[in-house]
This record gives sequence, structure tokens and C-alpha cells, in this order.
Amino acid sequence: GQNIDQPTEMTATEGAIVQINCTYQTSGFNGLFWYQQHAGEAPTFLSYNVLDGLEEKGRFSSFLSRSKGYSYLLLKELQMKDSASYLCAVRDRGGSYIPTFGRGTSLIVHP
Amino acid sequence: EAGVAQSPRYKIIEKRQSVAFWCNPISGHATLYWYQQILGQGPKLLIQFQNNGVVDDSQLPKDRFSAERLKGVDSTLKIQPAKLEDSAVYLCASSFESSANTEAFFGQGTRLTVV
Repeated sequence: GQNIDQPTEMTATEGAIVQINCTYQTSGFNGLFWYQQHAGEAPTFLSYNVLDGLEEKGRFSSFLSRSKGYSYLLLKELQMKDSASYLCAVRDRGGSYIPTFGRGTSLIVHP
Repeated sequence: EAGVAQSPRYKIIEKRQSVAFWCNPISGHATLYWYQQILGQGPKLLIQFQNNGVVDDSQLPKDRFSAERLKGVDSTLKIQPAKLEDSAVYLCASSFESSANTEAFFGQGTRLTVV
């Protein structure tokens, strides 16, 4: 099984940088996803990490440390439209590769 | 490219009634997932299909929930009878395959309210 922990809510100012952390415990790790979900909408894929290090994609970056069971999503130059829930999901080494989602972090960006 | 289609968008039923949700995945996607997302929580997998076969349904409450994907394309999820705690958004997702680095594409979901 897996245990995934994220902060429930964060607030930040437009134009700033915010880091959303995710810690996990799993019997066998096989990749970590970050998804963005606006209220009332479907989750959309942001990033995938399977090796240690930083993956950068525009204003968003995701970091993974497998030895620490830790990931973060870094959002730069925050915009009002970044207000959303950010979901961390971990895949284990089970044959079906099903990702287990955390509860999500609700990010509120204010002017 | 058309996304994952789900219907209906909203449904309100009384407890002990039955309800069915429909999902049409992205064309060519072999893997289809049904998730339940209760307000304030992350999505929880109910069932995964690979083509028309069930890969994992370990978290599906089989006494009241059922799902099928008869021709390996569209899928339906049914709840019979519904309970108050079934109030949630039911998300369908699909992926090209079920390998480790393949992301899932989600539909907009069906918001179910059981009163």
C-alpha cells in the first residue's frame, strides 16, 4: 500500500514562487505524477518523475528524491489562474501500474 | 483530439435508487479507469480495465457497484442501491497503455448527489 501526504491548503501572492511538498511511503516506487485540478474540472497532467532530480517545464518544475520519499512541485511567476488543487500521485511496482492519489493541496493565489 | 467524454455531468438521486454513468475514452486508449473523488479528497481508483478485461477492482464495493466495458471502448459504472456516502464526483480516465510513465487523461466527471 501507499501513504501520501500533502499540505491541505497554501496561499501565495501573484508573481511569487510557491513550493508544494509531497511525501510518500510505498512498498515499491515506480514513478510520481503531479496533476492540476481546477474546481469542478478534471485533473490535468503536469509532470512525471521516476528518477531523482529536477524536471523543468516552463513555469512549473517537479523534484524527486526517492531515498527520502519526497517530491515537490515548484510554481514560478504565479498567476491568478494557478489557483487550483495540486494532486500528487504515486505508482508502485504492482503489475497494474495504478497511481494512488494524495488528498491534494488547494493553492490560493491572491493579488 | 477529442478528450474523455462522460455523461451525465450532474445527477441527483434518492438513497436506495440506482444510477448509471457512461464514459467514452480517447480513441485508441486501451486502458480505462473509474475513480471516485469525494469532496476535499484525491481521486480513489474503483476499477481499471485493459481493453475489455478487468485489471484491478480491489477497491470497488462489489455489493453495490458494477462496471463493464463490453467492447473494449465505452464503459458504464452502475450503483445499485445508492447510499448517502456515495455522493462524490465519478471520474473516468483513459491512457494509451498501462505502462509506468503513461499519464492518464481525465473526463470532467459526473457529480452525484444522493439525498
